Amino acid sequence: AQTVTQSQPEMSVQEAETVTLSCTYDTSENNYYLFWYKQPPSRQMILVIRQEAYKQQNATENRFSVNFQKAAKSFSLKISDSQLGDTAMYFCAFMAYSNSGYALNFGKGTSLLVTP
Amino acid sequence: DGGITQSPKYLFRKEGQNVTLSCEQNLNHDAMYWYRQDPGQGLRLIYYSQIVNDFQKGDIAEGYSVSREKKESFPLTVTSAQKNPTAFYLCASSALAGSRAYEQYFGPGTRLTVT
Repeated sequence: AQTVTQSQPEMSVQEAETVTLSCTYDTSENNYYLFWYKQPPSRQMILVIRQEAYKQQNATENRFSVNFQKAAKSFSLKISDSQLGDTAMYFCAFMAYSNSGYALNFGKGTSLLVTP
Repeated sequence: DGGITQSPKYLFRKEGQNVTLSCEQNLNHDAMYWYRQDPGQGLRLIYYSQIVNDFQKGDIAEGYSVSREKKESFPLTVTSAQKNPTAFYLCASSALAGSRAYEQYFGPGTRLTVT
């Protein structure tokens, strides 16, 4: 079974600063996908970024980028120029085809607070 | 607009009653999923379906049932056998092919409270 670990239950950052959220995972699979999801106070889950394991280049989406280290099984999310609207729970998720189909395996989340 | 809808947003039931949560998508996605979220926890998979008239149990299926009679709809029934049904329930869907394959898109969720 795959496990996803987010070791930082809570983090805070000042507006306009940069913050990095950590995620590690355990798998014996070679082909898989990794995702970061954001859940603001509204509780709507929003896809932030995705990374395919076969791609060496780190994914970027505007102010969001990842540092994917396949050998270390690490998948951190960097948020640049933090904005107040980035305040949310952030979940790291892993997906490899298994007896759970294409379902996501989530970490327990990191609560990020962006302060003025 | 394409998306996923869940209804109702809040649901209250007495212990011992079955309750059905609705999930509809118009994204033409093949796969649909139900997750449960408890405080301080990530999401846990209840059931998933990759095709109409077929569905599979997830990690915590006991006390739940689903149906997939149409591609667009994947209702979840919380039965009286579920010991701790109070939780936030999220429905998701994904394509299984194409450039956005495996990306799951979520509905707004249903908060179920059983007393």
